[in-house]
Amino acid sequence: DAGVTQSPTHLIKTRGQQVTLRCSPKSGHDTVSWYQQALGQGPQFIFQYYEEEERQRGNFPDRFSGHQFPNYSSELNVNALLLGDSALYLCASRNLRLAGGGNEQFFGPGTRLTVL
Amino acid sequence: LAKTTQPISMDSYEGQEVNITCSHNNIATNDYITWYQQFPSQGPRFIIQGYKTKVTNEVASLFIPADRKSSTLSLPRVSLSDTAVYYCLVGDTPYNQGGKLIFGQGTELSVKP
Repeated sequence: DAGVTQSPTHLIKTRGQQVTLRCSPKSGHDTVSWYQQALGQGPQFIFQYYEEEERQRGNFPDRFSGHQFPNYSSELNVNALLLGDSALYLCASRNLRLAGGGNEQFFGPGTRLTVL
Repeated sequence: LAKTTQPISMDSYEGQEVNITCSHNNIATNDYITWYQQFPSQGPRFIIQGYKTKVTNEVASLFIPADRKSSTLSLPRVSLSDTAVYYCLVGDTPYNQGGKLIFGQGTELSVKP
């Protein structure tokens, strides 16, 4: 059973460019969340997708957008890249209907984005 | 969502028991306490979760006093591979708060031989 997968693993972009990161959730999961983790910091919530809609959003500008596909996979798009966007981008998935109480989510290995 | 406070770093030796305490004075009635572990360049991994008293699984134990204003993650007989950052999270159930996880700085545990 494959866990959460993300692609690419590493990416280098220059300021002003646009980037798309991809995530496939764990089998059986229907909800995908994206997090940004700067070096030495804890992950910061960007947004969450369920039933192909953005359900909740953290404190990130509109340059950050996303999409969820019918197969539950998801994309994170970042426009007009800034140096400060350099970070590890994590995708997490869970099954909303079966989560019950609590907050267990399964994280992927992340995509390391470097903006030069 | 309740704010959490935990030590920035801790050192231990192989074979010792490690206890990491997290303060969450403003925890709400519906909040659960969850701990995640993160190795360098990997995503966080769920360790344990509890609401009150004590919870134990194959990896760790979680102790929660009656007032729930703090919690302690206990790792028995740590090994070098337990060197990681440990995050304490407090939040409502996924149904109510959408599963948004609020991570703090975490505790960087270093296990030495």
